[in-house]
Amino acid sequence: GAVVSQHPSWVICKSGTSVKIECRSLDFQATTMFWYRQFPKQSLMLMATSNEGSKATYEQGVEKDKFLINHASLTLSTLTVTSAHPEDSSFYICSARYRQGLGPPETQYFGPGTRLLVL
Amino acid sequence: QQQVKQSPQSLIVQKGGISIINCAYENTAFDYFPWYQQFPGKGPALLIAIRPDVSEKKEGRFTISFNKSAKQFSLHIMDSQPGDSATYFCAASMRFGNEKLTFGTGTRLTIIP
Repeated sequence: GAVVSQHPSWVICKSGTSVKIECRSLDFQATTMFWYRQFPKQSLMLMATSNEGSKATYEQGVEKDKFLINHASLTLSTLTVTSAHPEDSSFYICSARYRQGLGPPETQYFGPGTRLLVL
Repeated sequence: QQQVKQSPQSLIVQKGGISIINCAYENTAFDYFPWYQQFPGKGPALLIAIRPDVSEKKEGRFTISFNKSAKQFSLHIMDSQPGDSATYFCAASMRFGNEKLTFGTGTRLTIIP
């Protein structure tokens, strides 16, 4: 149980285009999803917290207009990198927590990640 | 105060040996301490987690030791195997309230034959 998927697993795009990454909780409902960014050989950096039906909460230094997050349902959150540039190239990982009362409240289950390369 | 310090940065252990990774935290409000295992190109996978009401938790070859007074916790991997070679991250969060995970910097573990 507690499987989180991401799509696509990798994407290559041209500078200036927008890229959408999907995060799905496959076998559980997730009220809260998180988006992380990870550079090679570094730890995970939290970008934003996404709550179903409400606006995402972004971490300090993360551009809201650059990284658009939508959490339209209890099983799907999307991250859109708008007008991508080479410096946006990174490994993007989402995680999900169980809907309150349906599972361990503190545990985050991670997706497999999406590697983005902007040329 | 939100930091979680992890050491060592890298670790080489012989097959069959014990791998030990240490973490320390400052924020006494943290009350949930998970360990994640990450293979190259993959997302982190939850390995084992502990709450501060116990001093030790064991699951198979993996054990978390927790010292509340010292604000330290560690991961022990017994009988380490080549398949355990991965990067390990400790983390901490508050179960209720601020739900964000604060991650350590990671330890790259290599198990040699």
